[in-house]
Amino acid sequence: QVQLQESGPRLVKPSQTLSLTCTVSGVSIRRSGFYWSWIRQTAGKGLEWIGRVFASGRSNYNPSLNSRATVSVDTSNNQFSLKLTSMTDADTAVYYCAGEGYKPGLFDTWGRGNLVSVSS
Amino acid sequence: DIKMTQSPSSLSASVGDRVLITCQASQDIRGNLNWYQQKPGKAPKLLIFDASKLETGVPSRFSGSGSGTDFALTISSLQPEDVATYYCQQYDNLFMYTFGQGTKLEIK
Repeated sequence: QVQLQESGPRLVKPSQTLSLTCTVSGVSIRRSGFYWSWIRQTAGKGLEWIGRVFASGRSNYNPSLNSRATVSVDTSNNQFSLKLTSMTDADTAVYYCAGEGYKPGLFDTWGRGNLVSVSS
Repeated sequence: DIKMTQSPSSLSASVGDRVLITCQASQDIRGNLNWYQQKPGKAPKLLIFDASKLETGVPSRFSGSGSGTDFALTISSLQPEDVATYYCQQYDNLFMYTFGQGTKLEIK
């Protein structure tokens, strides 16, 4: 059974960079056909897909984030990570990591979420 | 971006009622649509994929239909444990996924 667990700060100051990590268990992050995404949920905009990474390291992102997001994979620790630069109040959200295991586009595994607040 | 519009944004129904939630895409997404259920304080859970296929373990009272731009999630007989917020999500564009704004379902 695939399980995901986010880790990272709960509070970030404005203009700082958010760094979150998702630890994958139950499957190798290098397994062919698996894709790994970050999704956030805000009160104002609901669920928003941020970006994803493939085991190869190739990634793609939501253009609305204006190139502030970077998703990377650490195969040695079976983890993938999110960095989001220039944080503002609008980035306050619950951040989820999610896996597309069955087929691309289907988020069939989710972490429990990490609430991140942006405040000075 | 493909915009997903759900209706209604909230609804209240009685136990045993048939419940219908709709989702409209701003352009043709064929059958590339999923439905998720989110209970308070929890992550979303996949209910239906490819517009009409039930995820393993999901009760058969849930069903999905539609293709192109118009989709629906039906609960045939509402149960107390179905209280949640429901989201649709398109994946026709594999480089830019989008979700509907959600439908909050409550028991009368």
